[in-house]
This record gives sequence, C-alpha cells and structure tokens, in this order.
Amino acid sequence: DQQVKQNSPSLSVQEGRISILNCDYTNSMFDYFLWYKKYPAEGPTFLISISSIKDKNEDGRFTVFLNKSAKHLSLHIVPSQPGDSAVYFCAARSGGSNYKLTFGKGTLLTVNP
Amino acid sequence: NAGVTQTPKFQVLKTGQSMTLQCAQDMNHEYMSWYRQDPGMGLRLIHYSVGAGITDQGEVPNGYNVSRSTTEDFPLRLLSAAPSQTSVYFCASMAISGSGGSPLHFGNGTRLTVT
Repeated sequence: DQQVKQNSPSLSVQEGRISILNCDYTNSMFDYFLWYKKYPAEGPTFLISISSIKDKNEDGRFTVFLNKSAKHLSLHIVPSQPGDSAVYFCAARSGGSNYKLTFGKGTLLTVNP
Repeated sequence: NAGVTQTPKFQVLKTGQSMTLQCAQDMNHEYMSWYRQDPGMGLRLIHYSVGAGITDQGEVPNGYNVSRSTTEDFPLRLLSAAPSQTSVYFCASMAISGSGGSPLHFGNGTRLTVT
C-alpha cells in the first residue's frame, strides 16, 4: 500500500516558467511533509517542508502548498532554472515519536533552456 | 562539517557473500536510518535507530542487519547477498526534536551490485 504517491514520473518545463510537482497521501496521521531534490550520483537534499498546521510555506523560488482535506500537496518552483533539473521526492511523517519518513517514487523534472 | 559519510561508494559482491556498509555522521543526530533506492520504487526504509542500542525494522528489512553501538555510526550488514539486493543504499540522520519537524540528512550513497 503506497501511502505517498507521486503520479507523474516526469515533468518537462521551459526555463523561466513555473514547475508544479504534485504529491498525494493516504495516511491521515501524516502531519509533516517534506520535499527533497536528488541529482544523479548524489544523496537526496532537503528542499522545503510544511507542517500540517499550515497550508503554505515559501522559501525563495520554492513554495509548498498543502491541502489537508484533499490529502494533496504541491511544490511550485518559480521561475524554473536548468539547474533545477533533478528528481524530486515528496515525503511524509506522522507525529509523536514516529520519526520514520515515507517517500514517494519521485518525479524527474527537466527544465529546458 | 562532513555530515553523513558512507563507505564504500561502490561495491560488487557475488551471491552469498556478506559485507557491511558503513555510515557515520558527525552532527550528533539521535536518529539514523538506511534506505534503498530502486528504479521506479522511490526510497524504501530498511532499518532505523532512534539512539545508541535501539534499532527497529522499516519497510524492507529482510536480508539486512543493523546495530547502533555509538551515536555516530550505523552500519548495515548484508548477511548473504542476493541479486535482489542490487541497489543504491542511502544512510540518513536527523535530530530528534519535540515537534518532529527536522529534515533527514542523507549521505551520497553506496551503489551495490550482486552478481
């Protein structure tokens, strides 16, 4: 049972435009959500996170939106740059003393110059 | 600041061989974990630890052992390697805070091939 789903394996956008990466989850106990970026031959690096008490968190060009009723979150990158080309993983954690992070399968973003 | 260090970067094993993947972190993080990444499967949790002497199973623990004798180190042991264990392995650590709002910090991975 996949609790965190990224239904788009890949996304291609033009430089300067907006990239929107989507993620759905099924576990209503999840209360903290993160996005990671991964380049080939490197480990995932933390990008941005959001707590379930918020519906939006912004950090520079990156904004994460959370819709709890729909169990959906999205990552917006504006403007997209060629260096943003990477695999993006959505991840989620339930609260309390459960520190395990559950990941989606990832979306490969390609930003074309 | 080295962060999370994994060794080796690459390893080739024959079926039935055993080996240990090393992981060390210098951030004094209580939580450490091992993930494997396979094509189309994302990152799947193998084992994790919330402190020295405490370990638990993740989503795909079979064929792997772990121990946590120190805060810094969290080795992953393959007891008898199988081709199905061909994968990229990532170690990750995290500070445990009351809110649970800390991100995982990953190493750069070990690419393992079992023939």
